[in-house]
Amino acid sequence: AQSVTQLDSQVPVFEEAPVELRCNYSSSVSVYLFWYVQYPNQGLQLLLKYLSGSTLVKGINGFEAEFNKSQTSFHLRKPSVHISDTAEYFCAVSGGSGSARQLTFGSGTQLTVLP
Amino acid sequence: DAGVTQSPTHLIKTRGQQVTLRCSPKSGHDTVSWYQQALGQGPQFIFQYYEEEERQRGNFPDRFSGHQFPNYSSELNVNALLLGDSALYLCASSLVSADEKLFFGSGTQLSVL
Repeated sequence: AQSVTQLDSQVPVFEEAPVELRCNYSSSVSVYLFWYVQYPNQGLQLLLKYLSGSTLVKGINGFEAEFNKSQTSFHLRKPSVHISDTAEYFCAVSGGSGSARQLTFGSGTQLTVLP
Repeated sequence: DAGVTQSPTHLIKTRGQQVTLRCSPKSGHDTVSWYQQALGQGPQFIFQYYEEEERQRGNFPDRFSGHQFPNYSSELNVNALLLGDSALYLCASSLVSADEKLFFGSGTQLSVL
């Protein structure tokens, strides 16, 4: 079985400040890792994913994440946030035979960017 | 190019009733997954359909069933509704050859009274 822990349920940050949203996972097999963003009254949008290769993954909207196998972490970072980044962010993991057939999501982190 | 579309957007039912939610996948996609997102929680995998068959199922009771049609669209059916079934139901589509790339719809908000 696999699980995802998002360590912060809410993260307030001022505009143009850096931000890190933390994610830890547990799995007995190799995994794929994802970050999704959800704006109010909308579905989920993929920010970035780690499948293999370089442990630093760059995504859309200036976000990046680093896969750390020894610490089983996949933290999301952005060097300078904007008001428009205010949203709910979900970390997710899939495993098994390298398929994203079944995603396991964390409980989410609400990022609020303050003016 | 239309993305994933779901209908209806909102639905109110009473306990014990049955409900059907619908999903049209992104053009060219052949695989549909359904997720349940309770308030304040992350989405939970219900099941996935490919070639009109249930390919994988999460930890949901048999009251939750689905169907995929030849045009790849899908339905989620829930019988004997419980208050705890109130949630946002998300549909996601993908290509079976690249199913790590999911595209989500905006969801159907189901309220059970």
